Amino acid sequence: QTVVTQEPSLTVSPGGTVTLTCASSTGAVTSGCYPNWFQQKPGQAPRALIYSISNKHSWTPARFSGSLLGGKAALTLSGVQPEDEAEYYCLLYCGGAQVFGGGTKLTVL
Amino acid sequence: EVQLVESGGGLVQPGGSLRLSCAASGFTFSSYWMSWVRQAPGKGLEWVANIKQAGSEKYYVDSVKGRFIISRDNAKNSLYLQMNSLRAEDTAVYFCARDPRGGQYFDYWGQGTLVTVSS
Repeated sequence: QTVVTQEPSLTVSPGGTVTLTCASSTGAVTSGCYPNWFQQKPGQAPRALIYSISNKHSWTPARFSGSLLGGKAALTLSGVQPEDEAEYYCLLYCGGAQVFGGGTKLTVL
Repeated sequence: EVQLVESGGGLVQPGGSLRLSCAASGFTFSSYWMSWVRQAPGKGLEWVANIKQAGSEKYYVDSVKGRFIISRDNAKNSLYLQMNSLRAEDTAVYFCARDPRGGQYFDYWGQGTLVTVSS
């Protein structure tokens, strides 16, 4: 069973830049894992942000971007806003199994 | 506007059964894979199951295989999750999500329905 690992928590200042990463226990994350990123605020459903590494949904703010970085999937927030404080989950679909990471709690302080 | 509305959650005893529904609107339901994803209280997300457009392919996470059944009724624009032999560890909010490419990504999500398994 693949384990997907994210930073448990990160803190960023308003206006700053932060990168969240997503690693797979089976090896490097590649395009074949179709990395997804989701944002979830307390009491709300997850909201899709990024799919297939770097593709944005029509509602995804421009300050969010996805990439592959050092064998991991990465989500970068540039010009962080207070409303970006949330839990962020990655999802990998490698070899036919969808596995979510444990989530990163992003604090904007 | 795409909408997904789950229903059917509630309190059930261990070993019991429950059927969740997800009513879809605002898109051609029969053209999309659909998934169920759950989230235990205070925990992360876990993909549960998905189903192909006509229902010909269904996949499940190992922990629910043999106990849960995903199905759909394209005439009613509805997705279902029949949950049998429920365990305390199945306690979670269950979300339905649109799954445009058979697991590669989810775009729209419902608000979820809470299932509590407890005696």
